[in-house]
Amino acid sequence: GQQLNQSPQSMFIQEGEDVSMNCTSSSIFNTWLWYKQDPGEGPVLLIALYKAGELTSNGRLTAQFGITRKDSFLNISASIPSDVGIYFCAGQSILRYSTLTFGKGTMLLVSP
Amino acid sequence: EAGVAQSPRYKIIEKRQSVAFWCNPISGHATLYWYQQILGQGPKLLIQFQNNGVVDDSQLPKDRFSAERLKGVDSTLKIQPAKLEDSAVYLCASSLLIQGAEAFFGQGTRLTVV
Repeated sequence: GQQLNQSPQSMFIQEGEDVSMNCTSSSIFNTWLWYKQDPGEGPVLLIALYKAGELTSNGRLTAQFGITRKDSFLNISASIPSDVGIYFCAGQSILRYSTLTFGKGTMLLVSP
Repeated sequence: EAGVAQSPRYKIIEKRQSVAFWCNPISGHATLYWYQQILGQGPKLLIQFQNNGVVDDSQLPKDRFSAERLKGVDSTLKIQPAKLEDSAVYLCASSLLIQGAEAFFGQGTRLTVV
């Protein structure tokens, strides 16, 4: 089956620093999605990517759809304490009825 | 626009008991997903509906789990009988289109089996 490798597993940074995390897949995806999950809540969609090479921003967040269609990365610039949470990548393939496959998540901790 | 609604938020049951979860997707969304999220892991797909038909239930433990989506709107997920390893958060999500669309999640139901 499809597998997503997400790294790093966790990060502990100072407020104001930039953050980068990435996701790689053993198979091709047509869509990459990035979610954030706060404790006790469901994942919230941050960015959606639909084309290879696409670079999309949402405020301080920037994500890219890798050219090979097997990877994606998420950058957070000038981190703030409310960025704390778990970030998940998810890939979607039209060959599998658009099933979303999730990575294991990156836990981000931000020190004020 | 109202989001995905799930109930209950929390449930504690003893092993071998039965439990059911309910999900009301965003209005008009054709695709509905049920995910299981074990502590410290990413969500794992259990079953995916398109309208009221099942398109993927390959990871659903069918000896104990069942799900239905009545009239292509609300959905219920049932576990009977529950095992200790079923303790997890059960997330429901929906997306507007059948293919290639963003999925939006509910708050989830936290199940504890003791």
